[in-house]
Amino acid sequence: GEDVEQSLFLSVREGDSSVINCTYTDSSSTYLYWYKQEPGAGLQLLTYIFSNMDMKQDQRLTVLLNKKDKHLSLRIADTQTGDSAIYFCAESKGSNDYKLSFGAGTTVTVRA
Amino acid sequence: GAGVSQTPSNKVTEKGKYVELRCDPISGHTALYWYRQSLGQGPEFLIYFQGTGAADDSGLPNDRFFAVRPEGSVSTLKIQRTERGDSAVYLCASSPSRASGSEQFFGPGTRLTVL
Repeated sequence: GEDVEQSLFLSVREGDSSVINCTYTDSSSTYLYWYKQEPGAGLQLLTYIFSNMDMKQDQRLTVLLNKKDKHLSLRIADTQTGDSAIYFCAESKGSNDYKLSFGAGTTVTVRA
Repeated sequence: GAGVSQTPSNKVTEKGKYVELRCDPISGHTALYWYRQSLGQGPEFLIYFQGTGAADDSGLPNDRFFAVRPEGSVSTLKIQRTERGDSAVYLCASSPSRASGSEQFFGPGTRLTVL
C-alpha cells in the first residue's frame, strides 16, 4: 500500500545480519508488524511492536521503531538460507482498527 | 484443521464468469478478513467480518465483489462478471478477536486467473 514503503530487494551472505527497512506515513499507526511469506505458504507473523515502544527483541529478530521519523526496521541476526523469503511491513491505525496496511514487500535472498 | 484453509488453491476462469472462493477459518476465531494480493504487491484489505456480519467492507473495489459468512465460520468471497484485472491471490485470515495486536492467521490463498 502507498502508506507503507519498503525497499524491494536485499541480498545477504549466510551468517551475516540482514536489515530490512520500512517507512510509514500515518502517525496514528498503533501497531507495526513484520510478516514473512514463503512460496506456496501463507503469511506468517514474525513479530510486532506497539507504537509506544522503540525496540523489541525476539531471539534472532530485533525490531527498531523510530516514531519521529516513522521508520521501522527488522534485523535478522545470523541469517540462514531458510530466511530467504519476502518480508512485509504492515501497520494498523487504531486501538480497535483491525485492517492491516501492507508494504509491497522486501525479497530477501540468502547466498552461501 | 490446525490453520486457515482456502479452496480452491487455484482457479482459472474466463472473463465475465462468476467465481466463489471459500475460506475455513481457525475454529473459534470470531474475526475473519479477506485481502487481495496482486503480483509484486502486498496484500490489500477487502472486507472484515466479526461473527456473521460484515463489519467493514470498505476495501471491496466495486459491487461485483460480495462476501458472506452466514454461520459465523466459513466465508465465501463471490465475484461476478470477472475481469482480467481481478486476477490476483485472494488471502483469507482469521483472528481470535478484532483488536489490533491480535494476530491474524493467514491461509495459503486462492490464486485467481481471469483469461
